[in-house]
Amino acid sequence: SAVISQKPSRDICQRGTSLTIQCQVDSQVTMMFWYRQQPGQSLTLIATANQGSEATYESGFVIDKFPISRPNLTFSTLTVSNMSPEDSSIYLCSVEDGPNEKLFFGSGTQLSVL
Amino acid sequence: GDSVTQMEGPVTLSEEAFLTINCTYTATGYPSLFWYVQYPGEGLQLLLKATKADDKGSNKGFEATYRKETTSFHLEKGSVQVSDSAVYFCALINSGYALNFGKGTSLLVTP
Repeated sequence: SAVISQKPSRDICQRGTSLTIQCQVDSQVTMMFWYRQQPGQSLTLIATANQGSEATYESGFVIDKFPISRPNLTFSTLTVSNMSPEDSSIYLCSVEDGPNEKLFFGSGTQLSVL
Repeated sequence: GDSVTQMEGPVTLSEEAFLTINCTYTATGYPSLFWYVQYPGEGLQLLLKATKADDKGSNKGFEATYRKETTSFHLEKGSVQVSDSAVYFCALINSGYALNFGKGTSLLVTP
């Protein structure tokens, strides 16, 4: 099983600023996924990040707002740019255990935007 | 597109009561189905899974059977404990890598 370290675990940010969330995996993985969990809601996929190529964004999410880096097979970052209170959420990094197999999740980053 | 529908919560039960959380899905082909659990203050954890029709996933006393004819994957436990209080998410993967999640069902078990 994969162990995922995600940081920061929580942050409180001012409107208009940006926050970069880091995700480190203890093994090499092809795909990494970024999810958002808004208060009282389910998880929504933001984007899929493959090493060496641009991330693929889901409907409603754009690269300018959520730029993603994937420099190698064990690391990825998600930046939440020009934040507003609507961006207050938990952001989760995850990796797959194989095609159509379970995902492992990081512990999440709880973001509050004032 | 693919989707998952769960019963809305919160669900409140007394300790040792029987639990059912309904989950139905819409998908083409043969998705894999999962239940994830999120305990208070913790990240998501896989609870159980089933990868084909009639498979039964089980873990920690929880069970769910993959029913293709009714497109369902209901979560059951015969006797819940206070420590089972959490949010439960039904999810599927279909010909891809990213999970589609239901909205989650909050369970509160009282002594």
